[in-house]
Amino acid sequence: GENVGLHLPTLSVQEGDNSIINCAYSNSASDYFIWYKQESGKGPQFIIDIRSNMDKRQGQRVTVLLNKTVKHLSLQIAATQPGDSAVYFCAENISPGAGNMLTFGGGTRLMVKP
Amino acid sequence: DTGVSQDPRHKITKRGQNVTFRCDPISEHNRLYWYRQTLGQGPEFLTYFQNEAQLEKSRLLSDRFSAERPKGSFSTLEIQRTEQGDSAMYLCASSSDIGVAFFGEGSRLTVL
Repeated sequence: GENVGLHLPTLSVQEGDNSIINCAYSNSASDYFIWYKQESGKGPQFIIDIRSNMDKRQGQRVTVLLNKTVKHLSLQIAATQPGDSAVYFCAENISPGAGNMLTFGGGTRLMVKP
Repeated sequence: DTGVSQDPRHKITKRGQNVTFRCDPISEHNRLYWYRQTLGQGPEFLTYFQNEAQLEKSRLLSDRFSAERPKGSFSTLEIQRTEQGDSAMYLCASSSDIGVAFFGEGSRLTVL
């Protein structure tokens, strides 16, 4: 299948540990942010989103933090599992009403060691 | 499965040939997007439809590329006179007006 993740920054964690994946965005006008997970040979899969009027949002085992001052986004995965191994992309959008045209970051490959 | 569906999943063609990809969005979604992804990179926006109207086109979409969504449901992306640089994964996504964009599994193009 598609070898997504070649040449990408890699984060290697032990199964059961927490993972933190970081992303810097460039457009101060961006109003909406999404994290996607992409496994080899598959399309991006929605994980969690956050709007710019929030600093933190939690999902099941995942938390997204947004720091607008320094234009930084992070994804925290609790109790990382082997099935979490994938490439993770952050994406930004000026506004959901602006057609949801997303600008993706470069991606981080997460490798979970059993 | 009621997710975004793309066809074919894989296409190998010779340089100079035309190829067409099809995308069937989630049925209640009125917005449809095409992205291109090359190895080791994040997806790059190509074009966007709201219902049958093509509202945005990226500069990446050269005149050899054309996308249609004739009835506001499925969409096609055609590449004419393919070049080796067109080799990539072509991703389709759909969303409601303010909802999350959900992606299909992609159509991988290899131009020999």
